Amino acid sequence: EVQLVESGGGLAQPGGSLRLSCAASGFTFTSYWMNWVRQAPGKGLEWVANIKQDGSEKYYVDSVKGRFTISRDNAKNSLFLQMNGLRAEDTAVYYCAREAAGSSFSDYWGQGTLVTVSS
Amino acid sequence: DIQMTQSPSSLSASVGDRVTITCRASQGISNYLAWFQQKPGKAPKFLIYAASNLQSGVPSKFSGSGSGTDFTLTISSLQPEDFATYYCQQYNSYPLTFGGGTKVEIK
Repeated sequence: EVQLVESGGGLAQPGGSLRLSCAASGFTFTSYWMNWVRQAPGKGLEWVANIKQDGSEKYYVDSVKGRFTISRDNAKNSLFLQMNGLRAEDTAVYYCAREAAGSSFSDYWGQGTLVTVSS
Repeated sequence: DIQMTQSPSSLSASVGDRVTITCRASQGISNYLAWFQQKPGKAPKFLIYAASNLQSGVPSKFSGSGSGTDFTLTISSLQPEDFATYYCQQYNSYPLTFGGGTKVEIK
């Protein structure tokens, strides 16, 4: 069974940092691109970033470029999102999601971790 | 960036109704479109890929169609478990983008 479990969310001050983690199990992690998708309270879904199987390619939405960094540790079946320079508009539930093989939509999602940016 | 526009943003329907949700892309995306269902407090659930292909295990009451810029998601006979918010997503090009969602509520 595919499982994705996010952690690391919490309260951060504007300009602060947080590092999100996603522990993956139930599939061959090294075979899949992985994504972060977020959802602000009461709002829709927003794709944030994704990363290739070996970490050699990464893509980001413009609003987080230069502030967020996606990475992975294939030895530990883990995905990360380092978030620096946090802003109030980054407040959201952050979902870790697996991309379907050979495509760019996400077929499995974690339950999400809430990030709140507030002073 | 490709903008995805869903309509309506919300609808009220009764159990047994046929429901159709529309998703329009700001430029052609071939059939690189997925649909998701999300219930309150839960993660999105993947339903359809390549505009019309059902994910394994998704009931056949769900169907998708379209190509280019105009797409539809149809629920043939609405059941209580189908009341949720539905999102389309294009995966033709980066940044990947979602529609604003359609909330399906009980009439």
